[in-house]
Amino acid sequence: QVQLQESGPGLVRPSETLSLTCTVSGGSLRSYYWSWIRQPPGKGLEWIGDVHYTGSAKSTPSLKSRVTMSVDMSVNQFSLKLSPVTAADTALYFCARRSGGESYYRDWGQGTLVIVSA
Amino acid sequence: SFVVTQTPSVSVAPGDTATITCGGNNIGSKNVHWYQQEPGQAPVLVIYYDSGRPSGIPERFSGSNSGNTATLTINRVEAGDEADYYCQVWDSSTDLGVFGGGTKLTVL
Repeated sequence: QVQLQESGPGLVRPSETLSLTCTVSGGSLRSYYWSWIRQPPGKGLEWIGDVHYTGSAKSTPSLKSRVTMSVDMSVNQFSLKLSPVTAADTALYFCARRSGGESYYRDWGQGTLVIVSA
Repeated sequence: SFVVTQTPSVSVAPGDTATITCGGNNIGSKNVHWYQQEPGQAPVLVIYYDSGRPSGIPERFSGSNSGNTATLTINRVEAGDEADYYCQVWDSSTDLGVFGGGTKLTVL
């Protein structure tokens, strides 16, 4: 049973960089797509983007210019960087996994809250 | 990019049937997935590829998709079904994921 766990600072200052890592246990990064999804307080889910284990990445157009995603096979982790951030980026950030060729998410991390504030 | 819309809220009495819809231009031509989310928790997949049901999801949950509307149906609603429900599609033209705005199901 694969498990995903997000980690990173819970507080980021405006105009700085939000950096999150998702650690995968119980499975390999190989053959999967690894995604980031966020949820502002009291609002709905927003798909941020995903990265293939080969390093190929795609992100939603509204965030594309600020998003960087990467995979580190050596430590079974993938990461998200969002820069620069504003208060509108305050959200619960989830990492998730989808199989190659599939388009749904069966496996999710528990989520980590990131607040953007001075 | 593809836009999907959901009714913000649905209310039903216990034992009744809840119908939650997800609208989009010719959404019937796309694969739709449904998630249940309780406050502060990660979403849980309840329906995949329009009508597939993952193991562990009660048979009371079913899905369909045709034309401009995909539907999640919950029969014999229980108090424990109270949650937010999100549809998700994959926009194959852009190879990007899209979520609906979510529907809050209230069990009266």
